[in-house]
Amino acid sequence: IAGITQAPTSQILAAGRRMTLRCTQDMRHNAMYWYRQDLGLGLRLIHYSNTAGTTGKGEVPDGYSVSRANTDDFPLTLASAVPSQTSVYFCASSDAGGRSDTQYFGPGTRLTVL
Amino acid sequence: AQRVTQPEKLLSVFKGAPVELKCNYSYSGSPELFWYVQYSRQRLQLLLRHISRESIKGFTADLNKGETSFHLKKPFAQEEDSAMYYCALSGPESGGSYIPTFGRGTSLIVHP
Repeated sequence: IAGITQAPTSQILAAGRRMTLRCTQDMRHNAMYWYRQDLGLGLRLIHYSNTAGTTGKGEVPDGYSVSRANTDDFPLTLASAVPSQTSVYFCASSDAGGRSDTQYFGPGTRLTVL
Repeated sequence: AQRVTQPEKLLSVFKGAPVELKCNYSYSGSPELFWYVQYSRQRLQLLLRHISRESIKGFTADLNKGETSFHLKKPFAQEEDSAMYYCALSGPESGGSYIPTFGRGTSLIVHP
């Protein structure tokens, strides 16, 4: 069982380019999340999805979009990357998004925008 | 609005010393709180949650509603405890799911 995977592991991207970060889970979890991790700022929620077909905005959604066509996949797209989007991106999932649910995290994608 | 505050960015101790990583929260309802840990070159993982009232790797955390705190404690730190620790709050509720809120994290360094 892989759990939750992300691709690519790292990427260097020119400003203005479009980029999609991939996230796949095999736990049949309903809820999925995208975070960015920045030094001194901790983990900030970008977007989330309660279930396939629905998405919602987190704390820092600007410049990012997501889709949830099925249960397993939750890609994050940067339409036109900017240097301030340089960060480590973590995808996570939880069973049902319940109050007591544990979040399971992917290994992260380190993105550098030049 | 809900908020999780971890006042210390960095906590440095020597092996065998007691450790307390502070976490304070603000939330209008009854909180559900967690501690997550990220060891070097590993993904974030759950350390413990208050509802379980358990001790993991020697760590405990007690929810104090009066002080709105959920501090993480360990009586004797080990070098392998060196990691980034995040306190998290489950909430608010949105569309049937609870949106998690994380603190900014505390980096714990345990010196030999």
